[in-house]
Amino acid sequence: GESVGLHLPTLSVQEGDNSIINCAYSNSASDYFIWYKQESGKGPQFIIDIRSNMDKRQGQRVTVLLNKTVKHLSLQIAATQPGDSAVYFCAENNQGGKLIFGQGTELSVKP
Amino acid sequence: EPEVTQTPSHQVTQMGQEVILRCVPISNHLYFYWYRQILGQKVEFLVSFYNNEISEKSEIFDDQFSVERPDGSNFTLKIRSTKLEDSAMYFCASSDSAGEFGELFFGEGSRLTVL
Repeated sequence: GESVGLHLPTLSVQEGDNSIINCAYSNSASDYFIWYKQESGKGPQFIIDIRSNMDKRQGQRVTVLLNKTVKHLSLQIAATQPGDSAVYFCAENNQGGKLIFGQGTELSVKP
Repeated sequence: EPEVTQTPSHQVTQMGQEVILRCVPISNHLYFYWYRQILGQKVEFLVSFYNNEISEKSEIFDDQFSVERPDGSNFTLKIRSTKLEDSAMYFCASSDSAGEFGELFFGEGSRLTVL
């Protein structure tokens, strides 16, 4: 069945370093992916998205890479800051708004 | 910045009781969703709603669940007879597009605790 999974449940980085959060998906027909950030006690917050006709998309301090060959998605955060500490979810947007979320990676930024 | 608002932020109820969770989506949005997140787990889709009817629902969304848009601003999720396993964070979301490339905006969530 469909699933979107993450490689690591936790990631700890030093402030100022770059962070890479990975995600694997299983549905090769998926054509749109989103990264969400969830801070403690809050709802998911959109970070960046990518369509399957792209392999890279950049935002402010964030980059998403898509490798359709191995069905892998990653989120890169440049110069990670304490405010980046949160749980990060990848999600597949399926059938117009039905998001299939991965398990989440908790990012901790050490000062 | 417009946002999705949810009430209550936390509700504690006894098993078997009815619960209504309320959401005010972003005003010009037409597509509405409920998701839930059991503590420590991933966010799961429950239901999508458009044009006053359910567009899609997951297998979690059984006969105990219902949604309604009683007026032009509110979107509610009702659980008729709560079970212990309904304890979770419930997130409302809205979008101005049903297309697969539309961004969903999530509320802060309503925490439901069933005792």
